[in-house]
Amino acid sequence: NAGVMQNPRHLVRRRGQEARLRCSPMKGHSHVYWYRQLPEEGLKFMVYLQKENIIDESGMPKERFSAEFPKEGPSILRIQQVVRGDSAAYFCASSPFPGQGGYTFGSGTRLTVV
Amino acid sequence: AQKVTQAQTEISVVEKEDVTLDCVYETRDTTYYLFWYKQPPSGELVFLIRRNSFDEQNEISGRYSWNFQKSTSSFNFTITASQVVDSAVYFCALSERVNKLVFGAGTILRVKS
Repeated sequence: NAGVMQNPRHLVRRRGQEARLRCSPMKGHSHVYWYRQLPEEGLKFMVYLQKENIIDESGMPKERFSAEFPKEGPSILRIQQVVRGDSAAYFCASSPFPGQGGYTFGSGTRLTVV
Repeated sequence: AQKVTQAQTEISVVEKEDVTLDCVYETRDTTYYLFWYKQPPSGELVFLIRRNSFDEQNEISGRYSWNFQKSTSSFNFTITASQVVDSAVYFCALSERVNKLVFGAGTILRVKS
């Protein structure tokens, strides 16, 4: 059983470019959660998605960030017009059902904006 | 509001020493879950344990043990006979019935040989 798969593992973008981070949940998991680890701020929740639905985006920055989890394919976290402050590790977790934790995380994507 | 406090920013021990990482949480809910994660230098988040609020029984897994005390809102983690490979950042986290984890700031553990 493959775990949560995130790619790419490392991503370098120039300021103003777009970053697309992918997350494939564990088999049978239909709930996906994105977290961001900023150097001085720790791990923070960003967004919770089910297939084709955003359930909770209370942690998403209001601009430039979006997330989707289509019926087919991985969940995508998209950051438009990246700035240096977006440099962070982005982690994805999945679960088979909501609300009870035990979240299994992927290895993360480390985004560096130059 | 939920909050997790890991007051120890960094701990250094010598191999084979026992070490306890503290975690204090705040929540208004009676149903919640507590977690510990390990983040080694390679950067991934490794799930260690989940505890629900109705189960205060302490747990032991090899050299790891956890002490959950609702009376003091604490969920402390002890590593017995520490090893260099235990060097990592350890995060305590809390989840109520909503679908997100609130993490503490983490404790850096350095185990020296």
